[in-house]
Amino acid sequence: GAVVSQHPSWVICKSGTSVKIECRSLDFQATTMFWYRQFPKQSLMLMATSNEGSKATYEQGVEKDKFLINHASLTLSTLTVTSAHPEDSSFYICSASPPGWNEQFFGPGTRLTVL
Amino acid sequence: EDQVTQSPEALRLQEGESSSLNCSYTVSGLRGLFWYRQDPGKGPEFLFTLYSAGEEKEKERLKATLTKKESFLHITAPKPEDSATYLCAVQAAGKGGGNKLTFGTGTQLKVEL
Repeated sequence: GAVVSQHPSWVICKSGTSVKIECRSLDFQATTMFWYRQFPKQSLMLMATSNEGSKATYEQGVEKDKFLINHASLTLSTLTVTSAHPEDSSFYICSASPPGWNEQFFGPGTRLTVL
Repeated sequence: EDQVTQSPEALRLQEGESSSLNCSYTVSGLRGLFWYRQDPGKGPEFLFTLYSAGEEKEKERLKATLTKKESFLHITAPKPEDSATYLCAVQAAGKGGGNKLTFGTGTQLKVEL
């Protein structure tokens, strides 16, 4: 139980284009999902908390107009990196908690490379 | 501000050589402390949750313990397949962020034959 998937697992795009990453909870409903970014040899940094049916909450320093989050259903959240630039290249990971659980379960991650 | 510091940054062990990883934390009211394992290019895999000082959890060769200031992940007789980065995270009680986690930078463990 508590399986989270992400799609795609990797993506390469040109500078200036937008990229959408999907995060799904496969065997539970999640009113809240989290989006993290991880640079090489560094730990996970929380970018935003995605709330089903309402606006996402962004961490300090994260541009909400650049990283658009949509949590349209209880099993799906999407992160769109708009007008991507090489400095946005990173490993993006989502997580979710089953109702009533404190533990977060993570997806396999999406490697974004912006050329 | 919640802070998590892990040590050492990297650890190389021989197969069967037991050791411990440290996670020191400061948090304004601990709801839970979590240990995860992360393999290269993958998302973190949940290992343990600890809620109060004195609590211990075990799984195969791993045992996690908790005090009011730190947590230890003890690895007994490790095998090469235990090689990974081990991440510690804390969750603060009573904040509007819900289940928000603050992670340490991890300990990269390499177990050699």
